[in-house]
Amino acid sequence: GQNIDQPTEMTATEGAIVQINCTYQTSGFNGLFWYQQHAGEAPTFLSYNVLDGLEEKGRFSSFLSRSKGYSYLLLKELQMKDSASYLCAQPTSGGSYIPTFGRGTSLIVHP
Amino acid sequence: DVKVTQSSRYLVKRTGEKVFLECVQDMDHENMFWYRQDPGLGLRLIYFSYDVKMKEKGDIPEGYSVSREKKERFSLILESASTNQTSMYLCASSLPTENTEAFFGQGTRLTVV
Repeated sequence: GQNIDQPTEMTATEGAIVQINCTYQTSGFNGLFWYQQHAGEAPTFLSYNVLDGLEEKGRFSSFLSRSKGYSYLLLKELQMKDSASYLCAQPTSGGSYIPTFGRGTSLIVHP
Repeated sequence: DVKVTQSSRYLVKRTGEKVFLECVQDMDHENMFWYRQDPGLGLRLIYFSYDVKMKEKGDIPEGYSVSREKKERFSLILESASTNQTSMYLCASSLPTENTEAFFGQGTRLTVV
């Protein structure tokens, strides 16, 4: 399997900025996904990075460094509704492109 | 609006029962997946299918089987349910390319008593 590592839990204050880190296996790299999952709901797609650098999408940005096997998700102007799990995932190599997930980071946003 | 639909949101079954979880997608995706999600363990792949009648074992296939007779439908079967199969089951589908996301069903919370 592929080793994807991310923190288990983070807390932050409404209006603040939070960075959720993810390290992954660099061999057979096919890009890196971030998903958001609210409690009791299905994961939904946030971002995909395959090139180095920062990609911004409104309040959410995702960064990739292929040489370091490192990505982060940056959430700005945090809102209470951002309380959720954030899942880092990469597709397997070899042509199947099976999404393989980290254990997820539970983000708690408090007032 | 694209959709992956799982047949049940909640299920309670008895130990030893044969359980069928159904998943249908309307996006004409080749790939379909079954995961289970448990606290602290994340999403773990049970089975994967890349075409009709084709299937591959994932990381935790023991105690499960699958069926894909039509492209849009992927079924997960628990041959003889056990209490350690109590979990959230998530079905997903995707195109067979590295840069497209997976779309998930709403999940089935299965309790085996």
